[in-house]
Amino acid sequence: EPEVTQTPSHQVTQMGQEVILRCVPISNHLYFYWYRQILGQKVEFLVSFYNNEISEKSEIFDDQFSVERPDGSNFTLKIRSTKLEDSAMYFCASSELPSQGGAGDTQYFGPGTRLTVL
Amino acid sequence: LAKTTQPISMDSYEGQEVNITCSHNNIATNDYITWYQQFPSQGPRFIIQGYKTKVTNEVASLFIPADRKSSTLSLPRVSLSDTAVYYCLVGDRGYGGSQGNLIFGKGTKLSVKP
Repeated sequence: EPEVTQTPSHQVTQMGQEVILRCVPISNHLYFYWYRQILGQKVEFLVSFYNNEISEKSEIFDDQFSVERPDGSNFTLKIRSTKLEDSAMYFCASSELPSQGGAGDTQYFGPGTRLTVL
Repeated sequence: LAKTTQPISMDSYEGQEVNITCSHNNIATNDYITWYQQFPSQGPRFIIQGYKTKVTNEVASLFIPADRKSSTLSLPRVSLSDTAVYYCLVGDRGYGGSQGNLIFGKGTKLSVKP
């Protein structure tokens, strides 16, 4: 079964440093997402991406964050200047179709990257 | 956006059937009900989705009464590996967001004991 992959599995960085989290979505999927989960808390939506542009973003996704699809397979999340509160699990997800007024489409999640900001 | 309410935690024993109920009193006509499962340190995984009555797949069943104000996820004969957090999501695009982003609550933490 095809799956979403993410690298690295664990990233440790110093406060103020830039990090890039990488994801390889399922190959025929067109819609991509980033979520984060602070330890012990809910999974939170960050951003959705389609056709090389952001479709929607949450309040969490401020100017420190950016996303990119640099080639036909990778989808990246960049945090420009990390803060202590950015420490969390970051999940990438992808779906084949957009949600269309009803059934929606299944989102497939990757295993996550644990980001630790010191 | 329909708000969901589900128990914070549930305990069960191996081999038992587990039913997790989710309340969504403000569900709208176009809303679908979707359940995800999350194991510790892993990403959420789609389990099942339905609109009304009953849906069954190889993993679970989803029961939705006629008024659709609640739904019940049924896991037959659970095993230790079913220990996870189970999320109920409701939204007019299947999930809750205008572009398909998923809105997760706190979910139900299911603990299966031997």
